[in-house]
Amino acid sequence: QVQLVESGGGLVKPGGSLRLSCAASGFTFSDHYMTWLRQTPGKGLEWLSYIGGSGSTIYYADSVRGRFTVSRDNAKNSLYLHMNSLRAEDTALYYCARDFAAAADYWGQGTLVTVSS
Amino acid sequence: QSALTQPASVSGSPGQSITISCTGTSSDVGAYNYVSWYLQHPGKAPKLMIYEVSNRPSGVSNRFSGSKSGNTASLTISGLQAEDEADYYCSSHTNINSCVFGGGTTLTVL
Repeated sequence: QVQLVESGGGLVKPGGSLRLSCAASGFTFSDHYMTWLRQTPGKGLEWLSYIGGSGSTIYYADSVRGRFTVSRDNAKNSLYLHMNSLRAEDTALYYCARDFAAAADYWGQGTLVTVSS
Repeated sequence: QSALTQPASVSGSPGQSITISCTGTSSDVGAYNYVSWYLQHPGKAPKLMIYEVSNRPSGVSNRFSGSKSGNTASLTISGLQAEDEADYYCSSHTNINSCVFGGGTTLTVL
């Protein structure tokens, strides 16, 4: 069955960096766009980035463009989100999800990122 | 890209039907048939309930249906059950190759 497992979250100071990982299994990883999303405590969902199956097509939300970089390693069935210049407002639960017809059909359990001094 | 507009809360009694609206613009909801709906129970990841406006993923009850008219999409849940109590989010593809979500609607089953 499809499984997505995020890791790499934690506490980081403002201006710091973090790399999130998402291990995928149960489907042909390279056949699918993948998505990063986040959810702030008590608030709604925010889309962050898409990456195409080969990694050559990438889109970002304005809120993270220039600070976050998405990548993937199809040989390892893994998705990554490199986050730089982190701000307090980046504090959230970060999800990876598989894209299907411009929807997120499978989600991981999320990894929590806290940006605080 | 501004968030899609959803009512903050809706409620209904068991067995009734409810509809949640999701209003966007001609750059997102009105432009594409790529509207999705998600259910989220507390402490859980969102679950896809509807994609491409009105399609249900395998395993989703046919009590859930979606539609769209102009810049507004809607999710209808018929035969409300206690387990339907959750937060619901809509999303849409946009004309700048991004995705925008609604602010979420809390459904209370009375």
